[in-house]
Parts: sequence; structure tokens; C-alpha cells
Amino acid sequence: AQSVTQLDSQVPVFEEAPVELRCNYSSSVSVYLFWYVQYPNQGLQLLLKYLSGSTLVKGINGFEAEFNKSQTSFHLRKPSVHISDTAEYFCAVSFSGGYNKLIFGAGTRLAVHP
Amino acid sequence: EAGVAQSPRYKIIEKRQSVAFWCNPISGHATLYWYQQILGQGPKLLIQFQNNGVVDDSQLPKDRFSAERLKGVDSTLKIQPAKLEDSAVYLCASSRDVDGYTFGSGTRLTVV
Repeated sequence: AQSVTQLDSQVPVFEEAPVELRCNYSSSVSVYLFWYVQYPNQGLQLLLKYLSGSTLVKGINGFEAEFNKSQTSFHLRKPSVHISDTAEYFCAVSFSGGYNKLIFGAGTRLAVHP
Repeated sequence: EAGVAQSPRYKIIEKRQSVAFWCNPISGHATLYWYQQILGQGPKLLIQFQNNGVVDDSQLPKDRFSAERLKGVDSTLKIQPAKLEDSAVYLCASSRDVDGYTFGSGTRLTVV
């Protein structure tokens, strides 16, 4: 069965420190990978996506992610976080041949402290 | 390009009542999705339409939830009767292909 796992439910970090949010997926077919951010009481905003090509993907707000096919991972990173990065982050996967169905992980709460 | 429109923005109902949500996707997007997001969880796909037809409703509680997409454009999601555990944000999204999914702002449902 196809699934998405976000390994950390919460990640506390100090301002200006680096951060990594982890995402693993399970699939026997090709995948397309996404990271979304959700601020309190707001909708989902696309941070970045991997469809094909370079495995290092850069997104908005200084975030980047790397697709690792052998480890079936798509971890999100930022070298220096700000207070304003405090939000819920969702990894999502679409599987080839699945009518573009988008499956989400449970989310990781990033809390940036001063 | 206009976004995905949803209404109402908020809804409070008593358990056993019925409720309906409306979604207008981006023009030209053949695929429409309804997700349920319970507080503290990731969005869960309830139903996916490809034009008029349903391609996935495996996680839709069909004894109480129903959805339709008229003429391959607008869609409504209905709950009848509602239960306390249906309290959640209901998100509508649309896509033309795998390249881009656009989400609406959602409808926050509270069942009391």
C-alpha cells in the first residue's frame, strides 16, 4: 500500500538555527513529491515540489528539499529559521498512475523560539 | 487566475443535522478533490472526481456523506446526519494535472 510518514510530530528549534523536517514514503511506482505549509487558521500553501529532474528542489521562503529514491525520502531543510516559520508542515505524495491522488502525511509542527 | 472558491467559511450545527459545502474549482481543472482535516492531523482524501465521474471514494463514509459534481465544474459535499466526530475543516482542491494542485481556504465545521 502507498503511504506517507512524517517522522516527527513536533520540532522545536531556536531562531537562526538550521532545521530538517523528515518525510518518507512507501510506493512501488514513480512518485511526485510536495511540501505544504499551513499557518494557523489558514489554507495550505505550496512550498516546493519534485516532479522530475534534479533531486534538489528549492522552494519559497528559503526552504529546499532533496529527493532520495533509494531511501524513499523527501526531507525538507532550511539553513536558518525565523520566528515567522512557525507553522504546520505537510509532506504529500502523488503516485504515478493513481489519477493524481494526493496523499498527505500527518504533519510536523515547527516551533521556532527566540 | 482565480483560486478555488469554497463556502461557507464557517458552519456550526447540532449533531444529527445535515450540512452542505460548496466548491468552485479553477476553470479548466478536470480533477476535483474533497479532503477532511481533523484538528492536529493531515488532510484525508474523501473523494476525487475526474470531470463528472468519481475515481476514488474509498474513504468516504457513504452512510452519511455524499458528493456530486455537476457538469464537471462545481461540487457539493453533504453530511447527513452529522456526528460530533465530523468536526473538521473540509478542503476542496482542483488540478489540471500532477503539476499543480490548488486548495481552497476550507470550510470549518463544528458539530455540537
